[in-house]
Amino acid sequence: SQQGEEDPQALSIQEGENATMNCSYKTSINNLQWYRQNSGRGLVHLILIRSNEREKHSGRLRVTLDTSKKSSSLLITASRAADTASYFCATGGTGNQFYFGTGTSLTVIP
Amino acid sequence: DAGVIQSPRHEVTEMGQEVTLRCKPISGHDYLFWYRQTMMRGLELLIYFNNNVPIDDSGMPEDRFSAKMPNASFSTLKIQPSEPRDSAVYFCASSPPDRENTEAFFGQGTRLTVV
Repeated sequence: SQQGEEDPQALSIQEGENATMNCSYKTSINNLQWYRQNSGRGLVHLILIRSNEREKHSGRLRVTLDTSKKSSSLLITASRAADTASYFCATGGTGNQFYFGTGTSLTVIP
Repeated sequence: DAGVIQSPRHEVTEMGQEVTLRCKPISGHDYLFWYRQTMMRGLELLIYFNNNVPIDDSGMPEDRFSAKMPNASFSTLKIQPSEPRDSAVYFCASSPPDRENTEAFFGQGTRLTVV
C-alpha cells in the first residue's frame, strides 16, 4: 500500500494549546499535502509542501517535511474548538493521484 | 463554481441491487478521483481519470465496481451487484492540470448503506 500513516490516531487538547500530528510515508514524493475533514463532510485542502521544501507556514499552521525520514508534521498553534476534525496527509503517486494516510482525530476542548 | 457535486448524498439499497453514484467535477479540472472511506480501511483511492480517460483503476476492489467518465463534466461509479461490505462513504474529487500545485477538491460524499 502507498498509504501513509498518521500519528497519533487520536489527540485531545485544551483550547489554546498547540496540536502536533505526524505523517510517515513509504515512497518518494513530489509533494505532500494536509487535509482536514469535519465529521460527515468532504476533505478540505489545508497546505501543500513540495519535496524541496523543509518548512511551510499558513496562518496558524506549520508543516515540516523530512524526505530523508519520509515524514512530515503538522502543527496547529493556539488551537480552537473549531479545529476539532480529522487531519490527513496525502502523498502523490507517479501520476497525479493522491494516497491518504489513516488520519489523526483531533478534539479541542473549550 | 459550486465545487464538486455528488449525488445522491445518501443511498440505502438492498444487497444485490445496482447502485450508481454520480459526480460533477469543477469546470476546468482535468483530473477526477473516486475514493472510498471506511473506518477499517480509511480513504482508499479506487480509480482516477485524466481528460476523461481512466489512468489507474488498480484500487477498484472487484469486477462488481465500474467507473465511467463520458465527458469532462460527469462521472459515475457503479456497483453491480451491491453487497453489505460495500457500505461506505464514497468521495469524488477533482484537481486542476497544474502538476506543481495539485490540490484536490472534494465533494461532500455519498453515504452508501447496503442492507
